[in-house]
Amino acid sequence: GNSVTQMEGPVTLSEEAFLTINCTYTATGYPSLFWYVQYPGEGLQLLLKATKADDKGSNKGFEATYRKETTSFHLEKGSVQVSDSAVYFCALSLSGGSYIPTFGRGTSLIVHP
Amino acid sequence: DGGITQSPKYLFRKEGQNVTLSCEQNLNHDAMYWYRQDPGQGLRLIYYSQIVNDFQKGDIAEGYSVSREKKESFPLTVTSAQKNPTAFYLCASSRTGQGSEKLFFGSGTQLSVL
Repeated sequence: GNSVTQMEGPVTLSEEAFLTINCTYTATGYPSLFWYVQYPGEGLQLLLKATKADDKGSNKGFEATYRKETTSFHLEKGSVQVSDSAVYFCALSLSGGSYIPTFGRGTSLIVHP
Repeated sequence: DGGITQSPKYLFRKEGQNVTLSCEQNLNHDAMYWYRQDPGQGLRLIYYSQIVNDFQKGDIAEGYSVSREKKESFPLTVTSAQKNPTAFYLCASSRTGQGSEKLFFGSGTQLSVL
């Protein structure tokens, strides 16, 4: 089946530190990969996505590269801010057809001033 | 502004009671989804609909029901058969339901049992 595995949180960092949140996936076929972010008390919103191998998604200083050889889509940011504190979800969805997205369990990020 | 509206933001259910969570979208999207979120468990799919008057069960449909009589509306009823309903419920939509599309989410409803 299809699944997404994320590193467990919480991840606690000081402001301006480097962030990595690991995400690996298992999929039958060729998935599109997504990172969503959820701020406290809100719904999820798309942060970035990549639709094929070696694509890099980027937004608001966050980046993730679709690595087919390692089945990974790790989220990175060079310098985090307190406002980045949120829960981050990795997700996959099969391209080219009707398919319901599969989400990871989410990783909580806490950034201290 | 286009988006998804969920209501109410907080809802309390008494023993044996059915409650209905509202989800409305003005994005003209074909596909709509309901997810349940429990702490540390991520999102689990309850029901989804890719066209009016049609819907499919997700991974945890037992104790829930939905309808899709209008394109813009996808209400979720939590029935008395759902023995552990306390959770955060998220409604989402996508343009056509194709795999590479992003989902748009509402701001959620927190359901608690009295």
